[in-house]
Amino acid sequence: DAKTTQPNSMESNEEEPVHLPCNHSTISGTDYIHWYRQLPSQGPEYVIHGLTSNVNNRMASLAIAEDRKSSTLILHRATLRDAAVYYCILRSGANNLFFGTGTRLTVIP
Amino acid sequence: EADIYQTPRYLVIGTGKKITLECSQTMGHDKMYWYQQDPGMELHLIHYSYGVNSTEKGDLSSESTVSRIRTEHFPLTLESARPSHTSQYLCASSGLDRNYGYTFGSGTRLTVV
Repeated sequence: DAKTTQPNSMESNEEEPVHLPCNHSTISGTDYIHWYRQLPSQGPEYVIHGLTSNVNNRMASLAIAEDRKSSTLILHRATLRDAAVYYCILRSGANNLFFGTGTRLTVIP
Repeated sequence: EADIYQTPRYLVIGTGKKITLECSQTMGHDKMYWYQQDPGMELHLIHYSYGVNSTEKGDLSSESTVSRIRTEHFPLTLESARPSHTSQYLCASSGLDRNYGYTFGSGTRLTVV
């Protein structure tokens, strides 16, 4: 399974945009890019996913590079409730999701 | 409101006891999963199922067993709990297609004393 690379941690000031990067240089043409986040003491929560085009939903935006070797999760205005571990994961076919270490986002008031 | 339910939320139990962690989903998802996660650590897949009467072992070896008699129900059983089983257990479900996301339950935090 293709793997992803994310920074271990990032910080952001409250009410500012956050760009969480993810590299997936071995992505295949049929892999979907999924993002999840895990708040303290909770199970992971689906955030967004996409294949080739940029995607927007009420939680975030996903920007996918033209060559699909990287993507960026964008939180438009960080709140304290966005402090979590964010996972970037590739899903191909019916294969299981592999959760790496993710990026721990700290939001500074 | 949750579409996938795990019970109990917390469980403290003595060594040697048999326990069953419950997981039910109301979304009609074919695929279900159990992940194990120690505090501050990665999630590890221990079991999954493609549908009724299908069960597979995951990437992390586990002494637990699972069953899938009904689409909506995927319980996990430990025949004889040990302190090394102390962990958080997370249940999830999804459609089969890669265009589907996973929905996770709130987890069961198990402590074996």
